[in-house]
Amino acid sequence: GAGVSQSPSNKVTEKGKDVELRCDPISGHTALYWYRQSLGQGLEFLIYFQGNSAPDKSGLPSDRFSAERTGGSVSTLTIQRTQQEDSAVYLCASSFGGTGVYEQYFGPGTRLTVT
Amino acid sequence: QKEVEQNSGPLSVPEGAIASLNCTYSDRGSQSFFWYRQYSGKSPELIMSIYSNGDKEDGRFTAQLNKASQYVSLLIRDSQPSDSATYLCAVNNIVDTGRRALTFGSGTRLQVQP
Repeated sequence: GAGVSQSPSNKVTEKGKDVELRCDPISGHTALYWYRQSLGQGLEFLIYFQGNSAPDKSGLPSDRFSAERTGGSVSTLTIQRTQQEDSAVYLCASSFGGTGVYEQYFGPGTRLTVT
Repeated sequence: QKEVEQNSGPLSVPEGAIASLNCTYSDRGSQSFFWYRQYSGKSPELIMSIYSNGDKEDGRFTAQLNKASQYVSLLIRDSQPSDSATYLCAVNNIVDTGRRALTFGSGTRLQVQP
């Protein structure tokens, strides 16, 4: 079956603009995660959704970042008033849900460049 | 101290040799451990998961876990040039933290010389 898909693959925006990044998880996966990877840095957790539960927003770096997940499937990560330090690859992952920790599968990522 | 530590490398091995990649973690209560491979410019690809002490084998890959030493490793047998990539170690402690997010190391770059 299809893997995790993300769009756009690349996004160049001017400082101060808002951007929306989209993630479509693997069919049947109820858990969805957003991470980001800055140049030369490790993966940094941003936010996690599981079914109808309240999302785990503990990794969001500032209130300029928000995310939603509609219908338990597609998720949108929004960054308002982008700054140059927001430049990174934004990665979405999905997994089965439930009480345990399941293997997470990543999408191809969105490379965001803020000029 | 970083939560998940990996030698950044590069680790250089000749083709056909065994590559040994190591990872240590600080959270003693961690229960779930994963190895991802990341080619340059690509996203991480899951290779192995391991949850219990000991070895877990899958093809040319063997993951080894020692919770007492807070150490997890990945062995790649018969290394191929196509194995050249960055290998990321990821850890989770959902029991104590209630969080499903993975904590990643910075990765070890592996170079397999033909």
